[in-house]
Amino acid sequence: AQSVTQLDSQVPVFEEAPVELRCNYSSSVSVYLFWYVQYPNQGLQLLLKYLSGSTLVESINGFEAEFNKSQTSFHLRKPSVHISDTAEYFCAVSDPRYGQNFVFGPGTRLSVLP
Amino acid sequence: EAQVTQNPRYLITVTGKKLTVTCSQNMNHEYMSWYRQDPGLGLRQIYYSMNVEVTDKGDVPEGYKVSRKEKRNFPLILESPSPNQTSLYFCASSRHRDKTEAFFGQGTRLTVV
Repeated sequence: AQSVTQLDSQVPVFEEAPVELRCNYSSSVSVYLFWYVQYPNQGLQLLLKYLSGSTLVESINGFEAEFNKSQTSFHLRKPSVHISDTAEYFCAVSDPRYGQNFVFGPGTRLSVLP
Repeated sequence: EAQVTQNPRYLITVTGKKLTVTCSQNMNHEYMSWYRQDPGLGLRQIYYSMNVEVTDKGDVPEGYKVSRKEKRNFPLILESPSPNQTSLYFCASSRHRDKTEAFFGQGTRLTVV
């Protein structure tokens, strides 16, 4: 079984400042790793994913996440945030043997302040 | 436009009154699933379906039923809703065992009084 921990339930940050949202997971098998974003009153959208290969993955809107196997982490970073990045961010894992059965973390609410 | 459509978006009901939340996808995906989202708990899977007539329990199936008679539809049924089923529900679909993303509906906010 897998579990996902997101230590920060809320992260306030000023516009144009850098941000890191932390994600740690536990699993007895190799997993796929994902970050999903949920904007207010909307469903979840995939932000980025790690399946294999390069441990640093990037999204089209400036976010990046790095898979660290030894620390079982997949932290999300952005060097300069915008007001429009205000949303809830969910880290998730899935077992490649079972397709898309995600295990989600509790979420981190990012609030970007002007 | 590729999408997952849930109805209704908002629902207030009373304890014990059967209800159905519909979910439909237009992407010919084999895999569909239901999640509930509660504060501090993230999303937890209720049921999933790998294809027509194939369904299985997720992590929190108690009090819910599903059916998959057609590939595009995956309704969630609450036979006798209780207040602890007050939550935000999401339907998702994807190609079975696909490594690409799952597509989520916009959610159904259910309140059981």
